[in-house]
Formats: sequence, structure tokens, C-alpha cells
Amino acid sequence: AQSVTQPDIHITVSEGASLELRCNYSYGATPYLFWYVQSPGQGLQLLLKYFSGDTLVQGIKGFEAEFKRSQSSFNLRKPSVHWSDAAEYFCAVDGATNKLIFGTGTLLAVQP
Amino acid sequence: ETGVTQSPTHLIKTRGQQVTLRCSSQSGHNTVSWYQQALGQGPQFIFQYYREEENGRGNFPPRFSGLQFPNYSSELNVNALELDDSALYLCASSSQGTGLSAYEQYFGPGTRLTVT
Repeated sequence: AQSVTQPDIHITVSEGASLELRCNYSYGATPYLFWYVQSPGQGLQLLLKYFSGDTLVQGIKGFEAEFKRSQSSFNLRKPSVHWSDAAEYFCAVDGATNKLIFGTGTLLAVQP
Repeated sequence: ETGVTQSPTHLIKTRGQQVTLRCSSQSGHNTVSWYQQALGQGPQFIFQYYREEENGRGNFPPRFSGLQFPNYSSELNVNALELDDSALYLCASSSQGTGLSAYEQYFGPGTRLTVT
């Protein structure tokens, strides 16, 4: 069955520290891959996406993600976290069906 | 460019009642998808509308139904509400027929439904 796993439910980092959020997927072929961010009481904002080609993709707000086919992973990274990055982050896949399958999310807290 | 809008923001209903949620797609988008996000969970795909017809459905019962209008806006209807229907309902729009960008979905702020 197709699924997305985000192993970390909750992560706390200090402001200015680096961040890596993990995402693993289970899919028959390489799906399209996405990261979304959700602030409290808000909808989802698209951070970045991977369709094909260069396995390191850049997104908005200084985020990047790396696709590793051998590990079925698509981890999200940021070199220096800002307090405004505190939110919930969702990894999602799409097998070219235009239907997103989401992970359960990782809640990021930022310490001053 | 106008983003995805949803109404109402919040709604409280009683078990057994019916509810209609509304969504206006982003300017230039022709496809609307609906997702249910229960507390502490990721969004789950309900269904998608394209050219005013259902174009894919997730694992939701028939009491979840929808419509899409000629202006690409959409409604989600839920009949015979159950307590487990309490969730954030998210609408997303995209633009089919535009290559890979068709797979980029842009979400509205959601409607918080509480069933008591």
C-alpha cells in the first residue's frame, strides 16, 4: 500500500540551528514528492516539490529537500531556523494521480 | 492572483444533520480536491472535481458528495453527520492540462467542522 512515514512527531530546535525533517515513502514507482507547512489554524502552504531531475530541490523560505531513491526518502532541511518556522510540516506523495497522500506530520518548535 | 478561499471558517452541527462547505479555486485553476484533516493527522483525500465531474475518490462513504460549478468553485456536502466527521476540511485547487504544474495543489485555509 502507498504510504508516507514521518518518524518524528515532534522536534525542538534552537533558533539559528540547522534542521532536518525526515520523510520516507512506500510506493510502486518514484512518485512526485512535496513538502507542505501548516501554521496553527491555517491551511497548507507548498514549500517545495520534486518531479524529476536534480535530486536536491530548493523551495521557499530557505528550505531545501533531497530525494534519495535508494532510501525512498525525501528529507527537508534548513541551515538556520528562524522562530517564524515553528509550524507543522507535512510530506506528501502523488503517483501522478493528482491525489496527495500525506504523512502524519512533524511539529516543529523553535527555542529562542 | 486570488488564492483559494473557503467558507464558512467554523461550523458546529449536531449528529445526523447535513452540512455544505464551499470553496473557490485559485484564479486560473480548473480542478478542486477536498481533504479531511482530523486532529493530529495528515490530510486524507476525499475526492476531486474536474470539468464539473468527480475525478477520483478516496475511501469515504457516499454520504460525502460534492459539486463543481462552471466557474470551478466547489461544494462538499456531508449527510447524516457523525461525531467522527469532526475535522478540518481543506480544499485545494490545481490546473490540469498544464504539464507538471498540474500536480501542484494550493490549499485554502479550511473549514473547521465540529459535530456534537
